Amino acid sequence: GDSVTQMEGPVTLSEEAFLTINCTYTATGYPSLFWYVQYPGEGLQLLLKATKADDKGSNKGFEATYRKETTSFHLEKGSVQVSDSAVYFCALSGGYQKVTFGIGTKLQVIP
Amino acid sequence: DTAVSQTPKYLVTQMGNDKSIKCEQNLGHDTMYWYKQDSKKFLKIMFSYNNKELIINETVPNRFSPKSPDKAHLNLHINSLELGDSAVYFCASSPGTENEKLFFGSGTQLSVL
Repeated sequence: GDSVTQMEGPVTLSEEAFLTINCTYTATGYPSLFWYVQYPGEGLQLLLKATKADDKGSNKGFEATYRKETTSFHLEKGSVQVSDSAVYFCALSGGYQKVTFGIGTKLQVIP
Repeated sequence: DTAVSQTPKYLVTQMGNDKSIKCEQNLGHDTMYWYKQDSKKFLKIMFSYNNKELIINETVPNRFSPKSPDKAHLNLHINSLELGDSAVYFCASSPGTENEKLFFGSGTQLSVL
């Protein structure tokens, strides 16, 4: 079945540091890939997505590129802020109405 | 207006009790879901409904019974609550076509004592 593997964290960075959160997947067919973010006490919200190979999703300074050859969708940001502290989930949608999430990576950014 | 709203936000109860969580979406979506998030933040799908019809039913104890009176509502009833049911339960919705994003509610934190 479909699965998503992402680094467990927590990841602690200083403000303005470079962020990478790794995500790899296994799926049949051609899934869409997503990054969701969960701020404390809130539900998940979509951060960015990519629907086909070589697509780059971007939002709020975050980017991720759909790499079919390495089955990866790593999340990056050039300069993190304290307000980026949250839990980040990689996810894939491989078929009708079925979304599979990774375990979530907690990011803490310190001033 | 909140797009996906669920109530209550917090639910504290004793083992053996029966409780319900309600969810409503005003986005006009066809599909609604229940997810369970454990203490380590792992998120697992429980159920999915499309236009009031059950589509996904993962390996969930039959003490959990979803009910969808119309496509804008998906409630979750839990019988004979156990300690292991303590978690955050999220309702979500999507338009109903393939490979699209989910819209989540803010969660219900269930604590079983």
